[in-house]
Amino acid sequence: DQQVKQNSPSLSVQEGRISILNCDYTNSMFDYFLWYKKYPAEGPTFLISISSIKDKNEDGRFTVFLNKSAKHLSLHIVPSQPGDSAVYFCAATGNTDKLIFGTGTRLQVFP
Amino acid sequence: GAVVSQHPSRVICKSGTSVKIECRSLDFQATTMFWYRQFPKQSLMLMATSNEGSKATYEQGVEKDKFLINHASLTLSTLTVTSAHPEDSSFYICSARGASGGDEQFFGPGTRLTVL
Repeated sequence: DQQVKQNSPSLSVQEGRISILNCDYTNSMFDYFLWYKKYPAEGPTFLISISSIKDKNEDGRFTVFLNKSAKHLSLHIVPSQPGDSAVYFCAATGNTDKLIFGTGTRLQVFP
Repeated sequence: GAVVSQHPSRVICKSGTSVKIECRSLDFQATTMFWYRQFPKQSLMLMATSNEGSKATYEQGVEKDKFLINHASLTLSTLTVTSAHPEDSSFYICSARGASGGDEQFFGPGTRLTVL
């Protein structure tokens, strides 16, 4: 039972344009959502998070949007840079310690 | 920022041997540490949660006798894969959460285990 889903396994975007990565969840008890970036053979690094009491959180080039009614969140990266090329995981947590991860989306930013 | 290290970064062992992986929080005290496993092209799957000084809580389907977790101090947790088999080959990642709480976890760089 995949509670957090990232339906696009890969995304290719031209440098300078916007990258939009999507994530859907099924568990209505989730109240905190995080995005992580991961390079091959490395651990994930935290990017940005959002609480369920908000619908938007912005940090520099990264913005996360949350639509609770649709159980959907998205990460916007603008402008995209080649160094953004990595695998992006969304994760969710509720009233437990556990982080539930999506399957990841591989972003490739080309010049 | 919070730094978590793992050692070794890569290990190759023969089937039947045991392998110990260390996870250290370098600049903060980690009251809770988590161990994840990632198979190729799959998500990170939580294996167990450990709190300093107490027994680890294992996720369903994870054999506690095979994956021994020790969280003896606020800066060190170890995962020992006992009697490793080729199907245990995976990328093992730890994360740590500080004493201040919050939902953010800081991840180690991971350990690639290959069992021949």
